[in-house]
Amino acid sequence: AQSVAQPEDQVNVAEGNPLTVKCTYSVSGNPYLFWYVQYPNRGLQFLLKYITGDNLVKGSYGFEAEFNKSQTSFHLKKPSALVSDSALYFCAVKSGGSYIPTFGRGTSLIVHP
Amino acid sequence: NAGVTQTPKFQVLKTGQSMTLQCAQDMNHEYMSWYRQDPGMGLRLIHYSVGAGITDQGEVPNGYNVSRSTTEDFPLRLLSAAPSQTSVYFCASSRQGSGTEAFFGQGTRLTVV
Repeated sequence: AQSVAQPEDQVNVAEGNPLTVKCTYSVSGNPYLFWYVQYPNRGLQFLLKYITGDNLVKGSYGFEAEFNKSQTSFHLKKPSALVSDSALYFCAVKSGGSYIPTFGRGTSLIVHP
Repeated sequence: NAGVTQTPKFQVLKTGQSMTLQCAQDMNHEYMSWYRQDPGMGLRLIHYSVGAGITDQGEVPNGYNVSRSTTEDFPLRLLSAAPSQTSVYFCASSRQGSGTEAFFGQGTRLTVV
């Protein structure tokens, strides 16, 4: 079984400040973790993924995520938020051998000017 | 490459009507899936396919049928539309393997009255 939790429905941050969007997961075996972004009236776009190796993963648009096995977390981060980062962010997980990811409920990120 | 193409973008149905949501991908991806997105519920998996001729149920399959006669196409059929099927529907595809990311279509906004 695989599941993912995004504990915050909404995150508010001021432009220029660092941002964190939280994600925790549960899988049997090694996890494959993903972050996607959804802008209004659009489909989801892939941001970054963790498969193995370095715990800090870098992705598109200056985003990065830190894999923490002991805390079963994969938080999305960005050092300096932009207003254009405002969107809905989804964390997803696959276990080894699974075909299709399980998505979290999504976190709405609002960056204030 | 067009990626994942969904048609139509918008649709209004009357209760009891049937229709087919189309999904096509030109990336030769083995895996395809259908999700519905509802406020506060995140993405819920309806059906998925791991190759032509192979389909399986996801989390919320009732009221929907799928088939996969070719690698490229994965249509979703609503047999007898109900107001509870009012939602935004997304089709996604990915290459084979646990560490592969999904590519999403732009979505179909369906309203059942």
